[in-house]
Amino acid sequence: GQQLNQSPQSMFIQEGEDVSMNCTSSSIFNTWLWYKQEPGEGPVLLIALYKAGELTSNGRLTAQFGITRKDSFLNISASIPSDVGIYFCAGQQGTYKYIFGTGTRLKVLA
Amino acid sequence: DARVTQTPRHKVTEMGQEVTMRCQPILGHNTVFWYRQTMMQGLELLAYFRNRAPLDDSGMPKDRFSAEMPDATLATLKIQPSEPRDSAVYFCASALGETQYFGPGTRLLVL
Repeated sequence: GQQLNQSPQSMFIQEGEDVSMNCTSSSIFNTWLWYKQEPGEGPVLLIALYKAGELTSNGRLTAQFGITRKDSFLNISASIPSDVGIYFCAGQQGTYKYIFGTGTRLKVLA
Repeated sequence: DARVTQTPRHKVTEMGQEVTMRCQPILGHNTVFWYRQTMMQGLELLAYFRNRAPLDDSGMPKDRFSAEMPDATLATLKIQPSEPRDSAVYFCASALGETQYFGPGTRLLVL
């Protein structure tokens, strides 16, 4: 099925560093979501974006809805060990239907 | 703390057996989704329901998979007969608006 491309695929960073990841698509989306998945659990919603150019924060997390509506970015500032997990973007394609990205696997070294 | 629940959490079965996975959506949520997650394909939407009616099951292999909502508190996903390539984690999610809340998943291994 269709997927969104996320990069990087994985990251190993030191605690305290900032993290940036992005999600790109060949299609336009009206809504972008960012999820985090921890081992053995389902994805949990972090941030939702509804308008092109929108910049939204949730604690140390900041996400942006790209102007072209074909991309989105997630930044994590001052990473901590509990930030470890897989981060997924998702774009809304039609009512109730979301396409998920390939995921960015984040590991934080203490 | 309302959550989506899924049973079983883990299932190991032999090829050819029927598998039934169950999901209890968050009370009051009227949209229910089934996803499959594998390393190769990532998260794939299999089917979703709104107000218990199936809206889209185009992501689901029709010959062996079936999804139903017998009532507002229960969604089921069945595989009959199961095959090794069905091994994956199956997630249920429910939503009232646009935000989907995922369950913990059923980890299925078909031998």
